[in-house]
Amino acid sequence: EAGVAQSPRYKIIEKRQSVAFWCNPISGHATLYWYQQILGQGPKLLIQFQNNGVVDDSQLPKDRFSAERLKGVDSTLKIQPAKLEDSAVYLCASSFTTGGTGNSSLAGQYFGPGTRLTVT
Amino acid sequence: KQEVTQIPAALSVPEGENLVLNCSFTDSAIYNLQWFRQDPGKGLTSLLLIQSSQREQTSGRLNASLDKSSGRSTLYIAASQPGDSATYLCAVRGSWGKLQFGAGTQVVVTP
Repeated sequence: EAGVAQSPRYKIIEKRQSVAFWCNPISGHATLYWYQQILGQGPKLLIQFQNNGVVDDSQLPKDRFSAERLKGVDSTLKIQPAKLEDSAVYLCASSFTTGGTGNSSLAGQYFGPGTRLTVT
Repeated sequence: KQEVTQIPAALSVPEGENLVLNCSFTDSAIYNLQWFRQDPGKGLTSLLLIQSSQREQTSGRLNASLDKSSGRSTLYIAASQPGDSATYLCAVRGSWGKLQFGAGTQVVVTP
């Protein structure tokens, strides 16, 4: 099966500019995640979607970050305006959700290759 | 608040030696624990997933154990090869549904 697709793979922008990342999850995966991974750290969850609804966005800096998942498939993550500290790899992941509660606790997550963002 | 720790942060071994990577977590109320591999400039590749009811999982040269009560998991890689050089991350899924990662162990296997 095809994996999680992300684009672009690399992006360099100046601070205060805007940028958008795209993710296409594995077919049939209802849950989609965006993570931020700063160099030397583990990934940190920014936002989790269940179909096209937001399950958790508690760690998303909402003054500058936004995300949407139209039609419950593809997703975009936007940063506007970017700051130097936003330099990181942005990872998209998806998982197959089981159970009527919508809790994907039993399913593993599959990650895309990531987008490396450099803000200068 | 769940805290996930991986020690050591970096490890270098000669080819052929067995690798032992440790992961500890503070809240034992987890649904599962997943081990990932990350190569430079790439995304994460899932290696093994252990459900909370399981004690271990095996795949080829990889074996992962889970002791939920003590908040520990260990990833064993037998007969290491230079191709095993990568960063290994563990992540736990808790009752709140969020996947919490450790910072990873960077492994170098020298020929």
